[in-house]
Amino acid sequence: GDSVTQMEGPVTLSEEAFLTINCTYTATGYPSLFWYVQYPGEGLQLLLKATKADDKGSNKGFEATYRKETTSFHLEKGSVQVSDSAVYFCALRVPGGYQKVTFGTGTKLQVIP
Amino acid sequence: ETGVTQSPTHLIKTRGQQVTLRCSSQSGHNTVSWYQQALGQGPQFIFQYYREEENGRGNFPPRFSGLQFPNYSSELNVNALELDDSALYLCASTSRAEGGVGEQFFGPGTRLTVL
Repeated sequence: GDSVTQMEGPVTLSEEAFLTINCTYTATGYPSLFWYVQYPGEGLQLLLKATKADDKGSNKGFEATYRKETTSFHLEKGSVQVSDSAVYFCALRVPGGYQKVTFGTGTKLQVIP
Repeated sequence: ETGVTQSPTHLIKTRGQQVTLRCSSQSGHNTVSWYQQALGQGPQFIFQYYREEENGRGNFPPRFSGLQFPNYSSELNVNALELDDSALYLCASTSRAEGGVGEQFFGPGTRLTVL
């Protein structure tokens, strides 16, 4: 079945450090890929998405590129801020049928001043 | 434009009881999905409702059931609560035109604790 694997956390970085959170997927068909962010005590917010191979999703300084050949969608940010501290979820949705989103287990990011 | 809202925010129940959670979809959205997020885990798909009918279900037992109303709002019902049902329950809405796929927007969730 469809699945998403992302790197274990927590990840602790100093402010202005470079961030990479790895994500790989297994899916039937040609999925859309997403990164969601969850701040403490809140629901999920869509951070960025990509719908086809080589697409780059970007938002708020975060980027991820849809790599079909490596089935990956790694999240990157050049300079993290304390306000980026949250849990990040990689997810996919296979086209057709109902719109089930399959999530990874999440990676907690803590940015220290 | 009003976003996805859920009620209640928090709920405490005891094992064996029944619970109903509510979700109001974002304006213009006709499809609602429910997810269960256990502590420290990613959300797991429970089911989806479109045109007041369930049209997709994840690996959850029949004691998890739902409804969608003509105004597209939705309820999640869980019977015979078990301790493992303690989780954050998330509702997501989207607009599904025929043959199209819309982005899902999530509500803030209902935190259910089963004692």
